[in-house]
Amino acid sequence: DQQVKQNSPSLSVQEGRISILNCDYTNSMFDYFLWYKKYPAEGPTFLISISSIKDKNEDGRFTVFLNKSAKHLSLHIVPSQPGDSAVYFCAASARNNDMRFGAGTRLTVKP
Amino acid sequence: GAVVSQHPSRVICKSGTSVKIECRSLDFQATTMFWYRQFPKQSLMLMATSNEGSKATYEQGVEKDKFLINHASLTLSTLTVTSAHPEDSSFYICSASRLGDPSYNSPLHFGNGTRLTVT
Repeated sequence: DQQVKQNSPSLSVQEGRISILNCDYTNSMFDYFLWYKKYPAEGPTFLISISSIKDKNEDGRFTVFLNKSAKHLSLHIVPSQPGDSAVYFCAASARNNDMRFGAGTRLTVKP
Repeated sequence: GAVVSQHPSRVICKSGTSVKIECRSLDFQATTMFWYRQFPKQSLMLMATSNEGSKATYEQGVEKDKFLINHASLTLSTLTVTSAHPEDSSFYICSASRLGDPSYNSPLHFGNGTRLTVT
């Protein structure tokens, strides 16, 4: 079952503009959410996270927004840079250590 | 810090043979290591969770006799695909949680993955 969904397999954005990556989840037990970034031939690396007690977490150019009622989170990257081109995975975890990943969104930032 | 090394990065084997994949935490001790499998355009599917010195916990639908996991030390876990078949061809990736980090809300540290092709 797909408890974490990233419905957009790909996204293309112009350099300098905002990139918005979306993620939806179905399991209400999830209360911690993470975004990972993956370059080709490398493993995912942690990017940013948010606890369910917050609705926003910001780290430099990256901001994650959480809408618990809609079971939706999004990652905003602004301004987008060519080096941000990668696959972004959304992950959700519950206190019982159940963690699920989305299928990923491939972001391409064009110069 | 928090580097996870996975070896080999690519392996091609014949049907019926076994393949071992290693996952090592290079600069930290890992309480728990996770093994995932990824099909094209699909999410990372958790196969099993292993803790040092104890038996791995397998996700529903994952054959424990086919995917043998050994976590002999705090820095090494291995996944052995036994009697491999072409349908086992996939991308396998491990991750580790660092000793001392809270389990459910700490980032995982991933290896670079292993592309297995069974001919």
